[in-house]
Amino acid sequence: NAGVTQTPKFRVLKTGQSMTLLCAQDMNHEYMYWYRQDPGMGLRLIHYSVGEGTTAKGEVPDGYNVSRLKKQNFLLGLESAAPSQTSVYFCASSFHVSVLAGITDTQYFGPGTRLTVL
Amino acid sequence: GENVEQHPSTLSVQEGDSAVIKCTYSDSASNYFPWYKQELGKRPQLIIDIRSNVGEKKDQRIAVTLNKTAKHFSLHITETQPEDSAVYFCAASMAGKSTFGDGTTLTVKP
Repeated sequence: NAGVTQTPKFRVLKTGQSMTLLCAQDMNHEYMYWYRQDPGMGLRLIHYSVGEGTTAKGEVPDGYNVSRLKKQNFLLGLESAAPSQTSVYFCASSFHVSVLAGITDTQYFGPGTRLTVL
Repeated sequence: GENVEQHPSTLSVQEGDSAVIKCTYSDSASNYFPWYKQELGKRPQLIIDIRSNVGEKKDQRIAVTLNKTAKHFSLHITETQPEDSAVYFCAASMAGKSTFGDGTTLTVKP
C-alpha cells in the first residue's frame, strides 16, 4: 500500500496563476482532508470530504476549491494564487467514523506539497 | 467551532527527563483526542490517541490523560531520548473533523 500520496511535491507559482494539487489514497478511506501548515502554526483545515461526491468547508476555505469525483482522490484547486497562499499543504484521510464499532478517526497524512507564490 | 490551545510552544529537556505537553479544548462534544509527532520536513504521524470514555492510556514511554470535566488533555513522555525531538500536535475531534493545536517544539539535549 502506498498510503496517502500527493502530487506535486514542490511548486512555485506567480500571483494570479492557477493550479491543482492531487491527493490519492489506497486505503479505501471515506474521509479526506486538505490542510495548510504555516510556520509556527498548527494544521488548519481548508476543506474536507465525508465521501465520494461530497465536500465541505473547513476553517480557512477562501481562495480554494475542491472536488471528490472518485473515492480515492481529493483535488485542491487554487484559481488565482496569492502570496498569502504560500504554505505547506497536507492531505489526509481516515476511516468512516463509528464510535459504536470502535473505529476512531485517526488521520493518515500525505508527504505534503510545498507551494510558493511569488 | 472548536478551539484548541496547546502549551508550551517550546520545551527543552535533558535526555532521560520527562516532558509534559498540555492542551485544552472548548467543545464538549469532541470525543477523540489524537497526538501527532512531526519531524522536520516530514508528515505528521499519530503517536497515541484517547477516546472520551477513557481517562488514561499508555504506550511504553508515552501516556495521555484526559479530563473531560475540565476539557483538557496532556501528553507525557518519560525517559526522553534525542530522537523524541520534534514538533508535537494535539487535536480534538468529532465525527471525523479535527481541530489542531499550534504545536510544541520539543528539544531533548543529549
